Amino acid sequence: DAGVIQSPRHEVTEMGQEVTLRCKPISGHDYLFWYRQTMMRGLELLIYFNNNVPIDDSGMPEDRFSAKMPNASFSTLKIQPSEPRDSAVYFCASSSSTAYGYTFGSGTRLTVV
Amino acid sequence: GIQVEQSPPDLILQEGANSTLRCNFSDSVNNLQWFHQNPWGQLINLFYIPSGTKQNGRLSATTVATERYSLLYISSSQTTDSGVYFCAVSTGGSRLTFGEGTQLTVNP
Repeated sequence: DAGVIQSPRHEVTEMGQEVTLRCKPISGHDYLFWYRQTMMRGLELLIYFNNNVPIDDSGMPEDRFSAKMPNASFSTLKIQPSEPRDSAVYFCASSSSTAYGYTFGSGTRLTVV
Repeated sequence: GIQVEQSPPDLILQEGANSTLRCNFSDSVNNLQWFHQNPWGQLINLFYIPSGTKQNGRLSATTVATERYSLLYISSSQTTDSGVYFCAVSTGGSRLTFGEGTQLTVNP
């Protein structure tokens, strides 16, 4: 398996623009997680899905953030409108169960200028 | 929420040395994982270890759930072991809470 695949690897956008981050989990994994990593806040969970259904979105910072999982092999995290404080590395991870380890993608480094 | 404390925050070693990283947590957990973030930012899962002991090559981990701590052992360290080591825990469900990490530097 190619692992968890995220795109793009880097994104630079202007404040106010819409940003869409993409993730393809490992085939057969039924849990998908979106994390954000910043120097100030470390790694924090934004939202996770089980069998394509959002289970916990309490980490989503505000209404500007939304996430979808239309099928088992694809998820998106959208920020609209983007702000400079959204600059961070966004990671997607997947797991076959909560009783197993999580596999992380390579991350998307987002810079909002 | 659960508190996760990792120590030491920074560690510098000479190649070949051994080290022990510690993770303390404030509540009972049903999920504990160790990760290595390499200098290129990739997060690699090292162990899923809510209790007991596991070994994988030069790395091993022990979690004493009743005393709320976990240890990661690195033996015969190599420069490629450099990076940040994170402990992450969950008290239920799938919400993993990460510690602040231990920054390890292995010098040749």
